[in-house]
Amino acid sequence: DTEVTQTPKHLVMGMTNKKSLKCEQHMGHRAMYWYKQKAKKPPELMFVYSYEKLSINESVPSRFSPECPNSSLLNLHLHALQPEDSALYLCASSQVGQGDTEAFFGQGTRLTVV
Amino acid sequence: AQSVTQPDIHITVSEGASLELRCNYSYGATPYLFWYVQSPGQGLQLLLKYFSGDTLVQGIKGFEAEFKRSQSSFNLRKPSVHWSDAAEYFCAVGTGSTLGRLYFGRGTQLTVWP
Repeated sequence: DTEVTQTPKHLVMGMTNKKSLKCEQHMGHRAMYWYKQKAKKPPELMFVYSYEKLSINESVPSRFSPECPNSSLLNLHLHALQPEDSALYLCASSQVGQGDTEAFFGQGTRLTVV
Repeated sequence: AQSVTQPDIHITVSEGASLELRCNYSYGATPYLFWYVQSPGQGLQLLLKYFSGDTLVQGIKGFEAEFKRSQSSFNLRKPSVHWSDAAEYFCAVGTGSTLGRLYFGRGTQLTVWP
């Protein structure tokens, strides 16, 4: 199984809502990532978890709150978002500390903030 | 600091023609290099990767890339393009032990004429 599964595929939320994005992998990877991708732009790293601990936060606003409850799951909790946060949110996973490997990406969640 | 440059924003080729997408990187050590492809609204699919060894790497869908250290380049090639190859192509460099921490170029949009 080389899949990273993201749910939901599409999400529309108001600026006062609270919602969560979910990401799951069963490849035994111990590093997981959240990326944000605006239209016509490359993905930009938001967070990195290594062995279920947050290792990198790329100065992301606190209205985005990541969580890694176990080695297979990664969540992104959303609260009080702005319309400019509308984007494709991609989750990825990879091995840690090993060469000759790569990151596997999910299909993304298309988020629209209204 | 690491960076990736894809000088061509948009390339148009005829079906059956050859293709070369350019990528230059800046990184102080030996980089891990990747090419990903993305169809509209989808996640990223890995085409090929370079870690070490043979500088000509083969990937999926008939793609290949050549690592040239002297030119800091990792250009993607395909001898005969198919209409289904139309997509956005991203070159990326990975660093450190978490290889999903990727720095992407801005992408090259490929259009294929029938």
